[in-house]
Amino acid sequence: NAGVTQTPKFQVLKTGQSMTLQCAQDMNHEYMSWYRQDPGMGLRLIHYSVGAGITDQGEVPNGYNVSRSTTEDFPLRLLSAAPSQTSVYFCASRMGGRGTGELFFGEGSRLTVL
Amino acid sequence: GEDVEQSLFLSVREGDSSVINCTYTDSSSTYLYWYKQEPGAGLQLLTYIFSNMDMKQDQRLTVLLNKKDKHLSLRIADTQTGDSAIYFCAESKGVLNTDKLIFGTGTRLQVFP
Repeated sequence: NAGVTQTPKFQVLKTGQSMTLQCAQDMNHEYMSWYRQDPGMGLRLIHYSVGAGITDQGEVPNGYNVSRSTTEDFPLRLLSAAPSQTSVYFCASRMGGRGTGELFFGEGSRLTVL
Repeated sequence: GEDVEQSLFLSVREGDSSVINCTYTDSSSTYLYWYKQEPGAGLQLLTYIFSNMDMKQDQRLTVLLNKKDKHLSLRIADTQTGDSAIYFCAESKGVLNTDKLIFGTGTRLQVFP
């Protein structure tokens, strides 16, 4: 059981380039989300999805785009990378509906924008 | 996240107790959580507490919740070097009270021999 898989693990971009961070889960979780982790700021929610075809903004959505065409996949797109988007990105998923809300995290994708 | 605050660092001696504190803002949060992040890894759920509880104990871990002050704490008894990690508290927010988890800044726990 792979859990939550993120690719790539490391990426270097130049300012203005675009790219997509991939996230896939094999636990049939309805809910998926993206966070970014920055020193001294903890984890901040970028976008989340409560099911296929449904997405919503989190705390820091600007500069990022998401879609949820399948239950398994939740890619995060950087439209025009900026140095402020240098961060470690985590994808996380959980079961839908009521419950404890435990999130299962991927191992992270470290992005550097020059 | 801005809504959940923690101190950034804590250093303790092996065998002592560690207490990590957290203040949150949303009194309607149904669940409050403690997650642990080891170096180079994602976060893993350590424990959680339902909002109608004051205390929860799980082996070496004790969670205390003061809803009046919106204060959450995690006590680790007999702290070991393997407990060195970053600890995040988080509160649940959203339509179902679990749609979003808002995380704190994280507390880096360092355990020295």
